[in-house]
Amino acid sequence: LAKTTQPISMDSYEGQEVNITCSHNNIATNDYITWYQQFPSQGPRFIIQGYKTKVTNEVASLFIPADRKSSTLSLPRVSLSDTAVYYCLVGLDTNAGKSTFGDGTTLTVKP
Amino acid sequence: DARVTQTPRHKVTEMGQEVTMRCQPILGHNTVFWYRQTMMQGLELLAYFRNRAPLDDSGMPKDRFSAEMPDATLATLKIQPSEPRDSAVYFCASGLGGDNPYGYTFGSGTRLTVV
Repeated sequence: LAKTTQPISMDSYEGQEVNITCSHNNIATNDYITWYQQFPSQGPRFIIQGYKTKVTNEVASLFIPADRKSSTLSLPRVSLSDTAVYYCLVGLDTNAGKSTFGDGTTLTVKP
Repeated sequence: DARVTQTPRHKVTEMGQEVTMRCQPILGHNTVFWYRQTMMQGLELLAYFRNRAPLDDSGMPKDRFSAEMPDATLATLKIQPSEPRDSAVYFCASGLGGDNPYGYTFGSGTRLTVV
């Protein structure tokens, strides 16, 4: 299993763009990269998944460099409601339970 | 939006008692996970199923935990006997197996307290 490393915490202000980087040096060729968001007392919620280059959806963008040893989740113009824990997962078959949730990054958005 | 439904939401039980947690995955999803979350250990994968067959339960203490899918609409996680160290939030998640771009949908969890 690919081990992931993320910052423990980050602070931001409303309206700013937030970038959370995840390191996964031993990512395997077939591994996908997936990000989840978790609010207190709720289950994790899928945000975005990618394999290489850039993926964008209605809530976030995911940037993956050519060597794929890291990835960056980008949240545009955060609001107070984006305060949550963000997890990066990497796995051979991300959707088959081979991934391991790391410690996550606690993002705190301030007014 | 389709949801993963977990019952009960909260459970307080005495040490030694049997605990059963239930999960109704989203209709059509063929992969189901059970996770446990504690402050100390974070999110730990306990077991997962594909097409109702158990694929991996290596994260589960076999002597007291058991996970089953009696049918496609129900997954159960049972602890017998329960111990205080089992106190945690237990999440069920479901999705489509394979490298689909939509990830997995988690339920709201069962908060278990063993006293």
